[in-house]
Amino acid sequence: GQNIDQPTEMTATEGAIVQINCTYQTSGFNGLFWYQQHAGEAPTFLSYNVLDGLEEKGRFSSFLSRSKGYSYLLLKELQMKDSASYLCAVMDSNYQLIWGAGTKLIIKP
Amino acid sequence: DTAVSQTPKYLVTQMGNDKSIKCEQNLGHDTMYWYKQDSKKFLKIMFSYNNKELIINETVPNRFSPKSPDKAHLNLHINSLELGDSAVYFCASSQGGTETSLGKLFFGSGTQLSVL
Repeated sequence: GQNIDQPTEMTATEGAIVQINCTYQTSGFNGLFWYQQHAGEAPTFLSYNVLDGLEEKGRFSSFLSRSKGYSYLLLKELQMKDSASYLCAVMDSNYQLIWGAGTKLIIKP
Repeated sequence: DTAVSQTPKYLVTQMGNDKSIKCEQNLGHDTMYWYKQDSKKFLKIMFSYNNKELIINETVPNRFSPKSPDKAHLNLHINSLELGDSAVYFCASSQGGTETSLGKLFFGSGTQLSVL
């Protein structure tokens, strides 16, 4: 079966750096997506990786290793507004998104 | 201008009732979706429509029926509501053509459905 694993919850301090991991086992791979979802709101797109390596976008970076079935989302200079859930999703060989359950990130002052 | 809008925001109803949720997108996207997010925040796809044709129909009860009058609208009708249907339902859209654009979903604000 297809599976996406992420930690359920993480806590970090304002101004620090946090890494949210995602491992996947899917039938085929057409890219990995990260979404951010604030409590009570809709998910919003953050990043896309299809090739191995690091994609940087401001304070957020996303890394992919296809051979290991592994990705991480790196958040730098954490701000209180970064408190949210972060969802990892993989596009399989049928071009369908397979979603992880999300990681709830709590930022403390 | 809201890109993907869905109504209502909240829906409280009794078991056995029939209800509809409406969704509209003004992005000109080709594909629209309905997702269900349960209490554990897990997003599960229910339906996908591409140019008014159903292309995914996951194992959802046939009490749920999507209706797409045109490619900008995808409504969700639910018959004989059950307690287990309580969840947040999200409408979304994406543009086809590439994996990036297909996977970059734009979500509506969600409908919190509570079945009593």
